[in-house]
Amino acid sequence: QKEVEQNSGPLSVPEGAIASLNCTYSDRGSQSFFWYRQYSGKSPELIMFIYSNGDKEDGRFTAQLNKASQYVSLLIRDSQPSDSATYLCAVNKENTGNQFYFGTGTSLTVIP
Amino acid sequence: DAGVTQSPTHLIKTRGQQVTLRCSPKSGHDTVSWYQQALGQGPQFIFQYYEEEERQRGNFPDRFSGHQFPNYSSELNVNALLLGDSALYLCASSHVGGGQNEQYFGPGTRLTVT
Repeated sequence: QKEVEQNSGPLSVPEGAIASLNCTYSDRGSQSFFWYRQYSGKSPELIMFIYSNGDKEDGRFTAQLNKASQYVSLLIRDSQPSDSATYLCAVNKENTGNQFYFGTGTSLTVIP
Repeated sequence: DAGVTQSPTHLIKTRGQQVTLRCSPKSGHDTVSWYQQALGQGPQFIFQYYEEEERQRGNFPDRFSGHQFPNYSSELNVNALLLGDSALYLCASSHVGGGQNEQYFGPGTRLTVT
């Protein structure tokens, strides 16, 4: 079983719509959760992190965490073509130092 | 505020050769982690350095080794290169005890082994 699982997509949404990206993790000892955006040929860029159950909002982005269901999601409101990228979910597990486990990423395309 | 830097940007090597990649962490950060990202995959953790010691190691062979210097910069060395080592090598820096230890990536080094 993979540590972190994401739907690889591709996910396509029209400009202005809400994009919903999902991630599940296998270890209940996971402590912190991160979303990275990666444009083709570039390195991952941190956009959100969350460690408590509930929602965390930052501009057009909202991260949602449900530890009971071992589920973390990222909502992108008012999606723009510039949001087209691969979104990587990462978790940091207890007692593994600061080792991050990444999913394979979800490819998002925002259609103008 | 200087971000994470890596060098070189691109590198082409032949099977069996050795390679050294370099990373300077973000200002104020003291921990460096190295990841390998194959095409279409998420980054895979290689190892992490803090206080000039390897603190954590992922499932990579001993051909992969590293070092951290007193100024917190780091090197990744790969010996006896294989074709399968072709990937994007990412360095991420963080600060122990800083928030949720969020990691920030450098631009990466694209290694091609022929």
